[in-house]
Amino acid sequence: EAQVTQNPRYLITVTGKKLTVTCSQNMNHEYMSWYRQDPGLGLRQIYYSMNVEVTDKGDVPEGYKVSRKEKRNFPLILESPSPNQTSLYFCASSHHRGTGNTIYFGEGSWLTVV
Amino acid sequence: AQSVSQHNHHVILSEAASLELGCNYSYGGTVNLFWYVQYPGQHLQLLLKYFSGDPLVKGIKGFEAEFIKSKFSFNLRKPSVQWSDTAEYFCAVRGSGGSNYKLTFGKGTLLTVNP
Repeated sequence: EAQVTQNPRYLITVTGKKLTVTCSQNMNHEYMSWYRQDPGLGLRQIYYSMNVEVTDKGDVPEGYKVSRKEKRNFPLILESPSPNQTSLYFCASSHHRGTGNTIYFGEGSWLTVV
Repeated sequence: AQSVSQHNHHVILSEAASLELGCNYSYGGTVNLFWYVQYPGQHLQLLLKYFSGDPLVKGIKGFEAEFIKSKFSFNLRKPSVQWSDTAEYFCAVRGSGGSNYKLTFGKGTLLTVNP
């Protein structure tokens, strides 16, 4: 079954404590991306990756890092989380040859920073 | 830069009413258009998508959308809504140019269907 898997699904953490949200896909997709969803703002892209070792900033990259050492994994790293990073995070993936390819989303990770 | 505008923040309907959610986009080239639905507490699910060809596309659960290029619009429709359609709906555009195949989302429309 085609899947994008995120962990953890729910997390409460404290300001400044580094955390990583993992994302893994089993569809051999080249393209992966992270979004955050906030009320009234829709979904905004944080970072994206076109392939292994190729990453770039999206619209709201401040306070986040990513890495793409393997094709299937695209972790989101919050080095020093702050309360304004409290949000719902979605990982997404697709083939990138042909923009008509469907983007698959993970189930989301609820992050609260206190 | 691409952008998406959804006209309605919150729509409240009674069961069996007809639905139309507005979506306009801004992009200077060929686009692919999508509608996603998010049921309460769940992740995004693809309702339908337009790539090319027939501008009237049909999706799951009886939804359809019409791409009108001259109006830069991609409105979502359903003839008769059900209580189970209560959800948030997102229109999204994906441009064919550049190196970032990102989806740009509208801010969403919350649909509440009263039984």
